[in-house]
Amino acid sequence: SQELEQSPQSLIVQEGKNLTINCTSSKTLYGLYWYKQKYGEGLIFLMMLQKGGEEKSHEKITAKLDEKKQQSSLHITASQPSHAGIYLCGADGSNFGNEKLTFGTGTRLTIIP
Amino acid sequence: GAVVSQHPSWVICKSGTSVKIECRSLDFQATTMFWYRQFPKQSLMLMATSNEGSKATYEQGVEKDKFLINHASLTLSTLTVTSAHPEDSSFYICSALVRRETQYFGPGTRLLVL
Repeated sequence: SQELEQSPQSLIVQEGKNLTINCTSSKTLYGLYWYKQKYGEGLIFLMMLQKGGEEKSHEKITAKLDEKKQQSSLHITASQPSHAGIYLCGADGSNFGNEKLTFGTGTRLTIIP
Repeated sequence: GAVVSQHPSWVICKSGTSVKIECRSLDFQATTMFWYRQFPKQSLMLMATSNEGSKATYEQGVEKDKFLINHASLTLSTLTVTSAHPEDSSFYICSALVRRETQYFGPGTRLLVL
């Protein structure tokens, strides 16, 4: 099975500051997904990366997948209270993209005013 | 860690029939469970939030009459795909929420509608 490690486990950031969350796989990633979970709510899909070197942005959130496709980073610019929550990366280890996702360990993000 | 089971793991049915999928928390109680759907090569998409003793909350674009959710007890939530059609074929995954922040995922149910 594929293991995903996220770092840091917890992050406390002052509002307006930038931050980065990392997701590292022990195997090549064929599909990497980023999700956000607010307390008490389900996972909300943020972005999907599939190609080495791929980078996607949505509003103030940018996700990248390295060339070797074993590490992804999620970068938030000028953080806001609305960014607070738990961020999870999920990976699809199959060539066919139809296997159950493996999730990372999660990063709890707290934004302080 | 907490264990969540789903039954069945695989189901093949004819178009027009209804299929029920069960999601159980085996060693803990969960007032909130979530149902997700995953298409091949696509991400997990939240379908609905299932709360014990109340009506489920559906995400935008999800037909509540098509995907019936019942959370009858603190350890069981069911998803019924009514009048299933081939486009409903997918991988359905449930999760149980613990202490409002940790989700434990079930193994998933693969549905194939012929």
